[in-house]
Amino acid sequence: DAGVIQSPRHEVTEMGQEVTLRCKPISGHDYLFWYRQTMMRGLELLIYFNNNVPIDDSGMPEDRFSAKMPNASFSTLKIQPSEPRDSAVYFCASTPRLVAKNIQYFGAGTRLSVL
Amino acid sequence: EDKVVQSPLSLVVHEGDTVTLNCSYEVTNFRSLLWYKQEKKAPTFLFMLTSSGIEKKSGRLSSILDKKELSSILNITATQTGDSAIYLCAGGATNKLIFGTGTLLAVQP
Repeated sequence: DAGVIQSPRHEVTEMGQEVTLRCKPISGHDYLFWYRQTMMRGLELLIYFNNNVPIDDSGMPEDRFSAKMPNASFSTLKIQPSEPRDSAVYFCASTPRLVAKNIQYFGAGTRLSVL
Repeated sequence: EDKVVQSPLSLVVHEGDTVTLNCSYEVTNFRSLLWYKQEKKAPTFLFMLTSSGIEKKSGRLSSILDKKELSSILNITATQTGDSAIYLCAGGATNKLIFGTGTLLAVQP
């Protein structure tokens, strides 16, 4: 299996622009997680899906962030409008079932820089 | 609020040294404790611990969970430069992982 695939690997954009990050989970995995990693706050869970349905979005920082999972093999995280404080590495992870009993597998991440 | 705290924040050692990384947790509905290694990109899984007092071992790495103390340690013996990375600890609750901010380990030749 190719693992969790994220694109793009790097994104540089200007403040106010829309940013879309993409994720393809491992085939057969039912859960998909979006994280943001910064030096100050470490890895923070933003939102997770079960069978394409958002279950917990309490970590989404504000209305500028939205996430969708239109099918089992694709998810997007959108930031509109982007701000410099959104600069971070965004990871996507997937797991076959309840995370407490299974291991999350991470993609390589998207490094976002908002100028 | 759920939290996971790791110490030290960073550590510099020489090849051959033994290191111990610490993790303490306060996680509602705690189920498991996971360790990940993060080099330049994605965190990669090392261990998952669910039972107190049972050591898990993989080569030079080992880890143990103490549910009474709400803590875990990760030991690395005979360190090598390839062990240089950020080591992340995460508390597994019912449906998610709560990560600590990690310990940055640098192993000098």
